[in-house]
Amino acid sequence: KAGVTQTPRYLIKTRGQQVTLSCSPISGHRSVSWYQQTPGQGLQFLFEYFSETQRNKGNFPGRFSGRQFSNSRSEMNVSTLELGDSALYLCASSFGTSDAYEQYFGPGTRLTVT
Amino acid sequence: AQSVSQHNHHVILSEAASLELGCNYSYGGTVNLFWYVQYPGQHLQLLLKYFSGDPLVKGIKGFEAEFIKSKFSFNLRKPSVQWSDTAEYFCAVNGRGSGGYNKLIFGAGTRLAVHP
Repeated sequence: KAGVTQTPRYLIKTRGQQVTLSCSPISGHRSVSWYQQTPGQGLQFLFEYFSETQRNKGNFPGRFSGRQFSNSRSEMNVSTLELGDSALYLCASSFGTSDAYEQYFGPGTRLTVT
Repeated sequence: AQSVSQHNHHVILSEAASLELGCNYSYGGTVNLFWYVQYPGQHLQLLLKYFSGDPLVKGIKGFEAEFIKSKFSFNLRKPSVQWSDTAEYFCAVNGRGSGGYNKLIFGAGTRLAVHP
């Protein structure tokens, strides 16, 4: 079974621009969560989508948004990029939203904002 | 609010040495606890998890962790490390009733270097 895939793997953007990152979950998984990983703040939860609905949201400004499509693929968008948005963005998928299910992480998208 | 504290940011060991990585969490209710590992250049992957029952849980690659509720701790152990255990280790918690099983709060991570 193919793992979680994220595209693109690397991205360089300029301050003020916007960016869209994509995540394809493992086949059959309906939950997709996004995390931001930085050297200073570590791994921080951004949001989770299940069946096209946002179920949870972390403490990030409104510039960070996401959505999930009917095939469970998810995108996250960051508008008006700031230098501090440079990070590794990880996507994780799970079959469901209970403790019976494990989250599987993708390789991440490395975003550099200049 | 939930939080996770990992005591050591960097650990250096020789092969065959024993390993214990500390993890303490802060949450007033029942928790699910996890240890994830990130090998160089690879994805985060689950080492082990605790939801309920026996507080001593065994994971992959000979790792185990013990949940001590009174100490709010979930320390990771391995009796004899190998060079291939060189990686970054993350403790994570999910507080039940906090808003979702897939919302993990991670510690800052511990970088383990094992020398042959």
